[in-house]
Amino acid sequence: GENVEQHPSTLSVQEGDSAVIKCTYSDSASNYFPWYKQELGKGPQLIIDIRSNVGEKKDQRIAVTLNKTAKHFSLHITETQPEDSAVYFCAASMNSNYQLIWGAGTKLIIKP
Amino acid sequence: EAGVAQSPRYKIIEKRQSVAFWCNPISGHATLYWYQQILGQGPKLLIQFQNNGVVDDSQLPKDRFSAERLKGVDSTLKIQPAKLEDSAVYLCASSPRRREYKEKLFFGSGTQLSVL
Repeated sequence: GENVEQHPSTLSVQEGDSAVIKCTYSDSASNYFPWYKQELGKGPQLIIDIRSNVGEKKDQRIAVTLNKTAKHFSLHITETQPEDSAVYFCAASMNSNYQLIWGAGTKLIIKP
Repeated sequence: EAGVAQSPRYKIIEKRQSVAFWCNPISGHATLYWYQQILGQGPKLLIQFQNNGVVDDSQLPKDRFSAERLKGVDSTLKIQPAKLEDSAVYLCASSPRRREYKEKLFFGSGTQLSVL
């Protein structure tokens, strides 16, 4: 079955710098790749997603890139702010069942 | 639009006791999920409902866990008897009916369960 690996597990960046989180997936049939942000005491919240027919997608300070050949996708956050501190999860799914396979998460720490 | 509602927020029980969690999804969302999230890990799917039918419960420990979704709206997840390793956050999520949005999950804040 599908497996999603995510790294790093913890990322500490200076406020204003960029942060990049990377994920790899194993099943080439996966075609949907969302990113979720989870703040302390809350459930995950979808922040951006990409489908396999697109190579890159941007939404203000966040962007996601997808390399289907290498089977990896990345989350990019520019001009980081204190409120970006959270745990970020990547996931992958296939149209056949719409079920998400989750990465283990990255704790992003924004240093003032 | 109201979000996914879950209760209680916290629950502390002793092992071998029973516990139940409740979830009310976003109005009109056909698919409902229960996830278990152990500290420091990603969510693990326990069960997926489409309306009031079960789509997937392959990872639900059926000897102790049960779930139902009556009338295709609210859902309850029960654990009986609880074990120490059941300590986790139990998340409920729902997703819209439209095919192009089915994978977009909306989560509740979860129930944090501590089994002593």
